[in-house]
Amino acid sequence: GNSVTQMEGPVTLSEEAFLTINCTYTATGYPSLFWYVQYPGEGLQLLLKATKADDKGSNKGFEATYRKETTSFHLEKGSVQVSDSAVYFCALSNSGYSTLTFGKGTMLLVSP
Amino acid sequence: DAGVTQSPTHLIKTRGQQVTLRCSPKSGHDTVSWYQQALGQGPQFIFQYYEEEERQRGNFPDRFSGHQFPNYSSELNVNALLLGDSALYLCASSHRSRGNQPQHFGDGTRLSIL
Repeated sequence: GNSVTQMEGPVTLSEEAFLTINCTYTATGYPSLFWYVQYPGEGLQLLLKATKADDKGSNKGFEATYRKETTSFHLEKGSVQVSDSAVYFCALSNSGYSTLTFGKGTMLLVSP
Repeated sequence: DAGVTQSPTHLIKTRGQQVTLRCSPKSGHDTVSWYQQALGQGPQFIFQYYEEEERQRGNFPDRFSGHQFPNYSSELNVNALLLGDSALYLCASSHRSRGNQPQHFGDGTRLSIL
C-alpha cells in the first residue's frame, strides 16, 4: 500500500534560517507528490506539487524535487519567516481518483 | 470564486448520537472527498463521491456514510458516535475529468464527542 513518512517535529528555527523537512514515500507506479500547509485553525492549503520524476515544485520560496531513485520529496526554503510557522504535510496520490495519502505532518516554529 | 465551504465549523455531540456534516465544493468541481484528521495526525481518507455515488472508500466502518447531491454538494453522516470519532473532518473537492489534479480543502468541521 501507499505510505508517507515525514521527519518528526517540531522543527524550531530562527528567522532567515534554512529549512529542510524530509519526506519519503512508498507507492506503486508513479505517484504525484504534494506538500500541503496547515495554519492554526484552518484547513489544508496546497503549497506545491510534482507529477513526475525530477520535477521541481516551487511556490512562495519553497521548493521540493521528486526523486524517484530515493523515493523522496524533501521540502526546502532558503530563508524562513515567522509567518511560515505552520504544520507541513507531505502527501501522494497515485489513483485516478486523486485521493491523498498523507504523512503525519511536521510542525515548523520560526522565532524572530 | 468561492472555495470549498463546510458547515458547521464546530460541533459537540455525546456518545451514541448521530451527526451530519456538510460540504459545498469549489466552483467547477464535481468530486468530493472526506478526510478525518485526529489531533496531531495527518488526514485519513474516508471516502469519495462522484456522480452521486461512492467511488472509493478508505478503512472506515459502515457507521460512516455519505451522500452527494445533484449540485455536487455532499454530506458526511456518522452514526453511533464514539469518543474516538473526535477529530477535524475535512472536505476536499476536485474535477474528475481533469486527471490527477490537486484536491482543494475546506477549513473543516471540528467534531468533539463528550
